[in-house]
Amino acid sequence: NAGVTQTPKFRILKIGQSMTLQCAQDMNHNYMYWYRQDPGMGLKLIYYSVGAGITDKGEVPNGYNVSRSTTEDFPLRLELAAPSQTSVYFCASSPVTGGFEKLFFGSGTQLSVL
Amino acid sequence: QQQVKQSPQSLIVQKGGISIINCAYENTAFDYFPWYQQFPGKGPALLIAIRPDVSEKKEGRFTISFNKSAKQFSLHIMDSQPGDSATYFCAARGGATNKLIFGTGTLLAVQP
Repeated sequence: NAGVTQTPKFRILKIGQSMTLQCAQDMNHNYMYWYRQDPGMGLKLIYYSVGAGITDKGEVPNGYNVSRSTTEDFPLRLELAAPSQTSVYFCASSPVTGGFEKLFFGSGTQLSVL
Repeated sequence: QQQVKQSPQSLIVQKGGISIINCAYENTAFDYFPWYQQFPGKGPALLIAIRPDVSEKKEGRFTISFNKSAKQFSLHIMDSQPGDSATYFCAARGGATNKLIFGTGTLLAVQP
């Protein structure tokens, strides 16, 4: 059982570059999420999706974009990377239709923007 | 109003002792309060959760105590073990956004 799979695990970007963080889940969950984790700041919600074709902004969406074309995949796109986007990014999914309950997290992507 | 304040930032407990982590919130519309456990290099994992209609929930050595009037909730780890050493996050869901808001985390170290 793979659960939530994130790739890559580590990445270094130069300022202004773009990249896509991949996230896939094999649990047939409706809800998927992207969080970023900064030291001492907890987890901040970037974007979330309640199902294929439906996405919505979280607390810190600026500088990011998402799409949800299938139930399984929820990629996060960084356009024009900035040092402020240096963080650990976690993708998660949840099975409960009410949303934001019983989140299953991936193992994260550590991103550095230099 | 959408914040969840967590304390302490770090905690050192001897093996066999009780670890206590506290969280406070302002928004009375929050309706779900989970705790997540995170080991280094891993994503957070749901540990235990409570809803405001009960004052306590226990699962094994882990207990959530919930004080609705004080708008506080806490995690108690009984008989703490070195394997419990991790970062613990409280969270709350609900309010105007109905999203999950995380506390800033507590780094727990259980010394053998």
